[in-house]
Amino acid sequence: EAGVAQSPRYKIIEKRQSVAFWCNPISGHATLYWYQQILGQGPKLLIQFQNNGVVDDSQLPKDRFSAERLKGVDSTLKIQPAKLEDSAVYLCASSLDLKGFTEAFFGQGTRLTVV
Amino acid sequence: KNQVEQSPQSLIILEGKNCTLQCNYTVSPFSNLRWYKQDTGRGPVSLTIMTFSENTKSNGRYTATLDADTKQSSLHITASQLSDSASYICVVSHDYRSNDYKLSFGAGTTVTVRA
Repeated sequence: EAGVAQSPRYKIIEKRQSVAFWCNPISGHATLYWYQQILGQGPKLLIQFQNNGVVDDSQLPKDRFSAERLKGVDSTLKIQPAKLEDSAVYLCASSLDLKGFTEAFFGQGTRLTVV
Repeated sequence: KNQVEQSPQSLIILEGKNCTLQCNYTVSPFSNLRWYKQDTGRGPVSLTIMTFSENTKSNGRYTATLDADTKQSSLHITASQLSDSASYICVVSHDYRSNDYKLSFGAGTTVTVRA
C-alpha cells in the first residue's frame, strides 16, 4: 500500500514570497489533515478535510494560508506571503474515516525555511 | 493550555535499558489514545491505538497503558535499541459524537539511546 506522498521535501524561500505544498493521500482515505510542526513541538492542526469539504480550519491563518482539496483526493497548501515564523515542517496525513477510529498515516513532511 | 501534556521532555538511556514515557490529558470525552514514533526528518508512525475501555496494548518492545479514570497513559520501551532514538508523541482523538473530530497532540518526548 502506497503511503501519503508529499512534495517538495525541502523548500527555502525569502520572506514575503509565496510557496505551495502538495499532498497525495492514501487511496480511499476520505479524511485529510495538514499540520504545522515547529522544531521541538508537536504537530498543530491547520486544516482538516472530509472528502473535499472543510471540517476544521479554525487554526489556519487565513490572511496568508489557504488550502484546497479538489475532487476530494489531492490537496495543496499555500502560504502567501510567507513570514519568518512560518519556518516549520508541514505534515500531511490521511485516514479512512472522520470519526477518529482509524489510524492517521503521515507523509514525510515538507521542511520550509523562510529567510 | 495544551490538552495533552507529556513528560519528560527528553531523556537519554543506555542501549538495553528500559524506559517509561508519560502522557496526561484533559480531552473528555475521547475516542482513543495513540502513541506515535517520529524519527528525525520523518513523519510520525503509529505504534499503538487504545480505546477508553482498553488498559494495555503492546507492539513488540513497546507497551502502552491507559488509565481513563486518571486520564493518564504511559509508553514503556523494553530493552532499548539504538533505533529507538526518536520523538514519541501522545495523541488523543476527540469523541466524534460531540461533533469534534480533532486529534490533540502532545509536544513529544525525545528519547536518545546511547551505546
